[in-house]
Amino acid sequence: QVLLVQSGAEVKKPGASVRLSCKGSGYSFSAYYMHWVRQAPGQGLQWMGCINLNNGDTNFAQKFQGRVTLTRDTSINSAYMELSRLRPDDTAKYYCARVPPQYYDNSGHLGTRWMDAWGQGTLLIVSS
Amino acid sequence: DIQMTQSPSSLSASVGDRVTITCRASQTINNFLNWYQQKPGSAPKLLIYAASSLQSGVPSRFSGSRFGTDFTLTISSLQPEDFATYYCQQSYSMPLTFGGGTKVEIK
Repeated sequence: QVLLVQSGAEVKKPGASVRLSCKGSGYSFSAYYMHWVRQAPGQGLQWMGCINLNNGDTNFAQKFQGRVTLTRDTSINSAYMELSRLRPDDTAKYYCARVPPQYYDNSGHLGTRWMDAWGQGTLLIVSS
Repeated sequence: DIQMTQSPSSLSASVGDRVTITCRASQTINNFLNWYQQKPGSAPKLLIYAASSLQSGVPSRFSGSRFGTDFTLTISSLQPEDFATYYCQQSYSMPLTFGGGTKVEIK
């Protein structure tokens, strides 16, 4: 079955960087995109960015531009999210989510598909 | 950015009730609208994609519909396992955006 397994919880100090991992199994890893979504304690879902696992192309939310780096290693079916210059308000659970390739709808618009599998999440705590 | 306004933010309902959650997009998004369910301590789970398509394995009591830029998630007969928070999400354009969530609680 499709499985996304994320790395364990992290505690970091403000100003530091962190690299989270997400390992996929049970499907053709490179045929999909990997999206990253975070959820602050008691809050809603916030999209951070995504990577095309086939060619490495990335797209980010403006809020995270310059602080987030997305990479992948297709030889071990893993995707990575590095967040730099950490702040206390980066404290959140971070999820990776698999998304099939984009598609054209009946009107000819090219859009993104849906997050059909999610990792279990990685809790990141940023505190001095 | 496309804003997704979800309502209500919370509701109380009883087992067997019909429940409707609404999501309004700030501009046209065609049918690029997905619904997720999240239970405490767990990752979100895809329920409905492309506005009205039921994800494999999801009970048929869940359904989605669209009227213009308004989208609806309906649970026809609420079951105990449906008490959770529900999110809409547009996938029409980047950045992808989520609604604020609707928490469905037991009355």
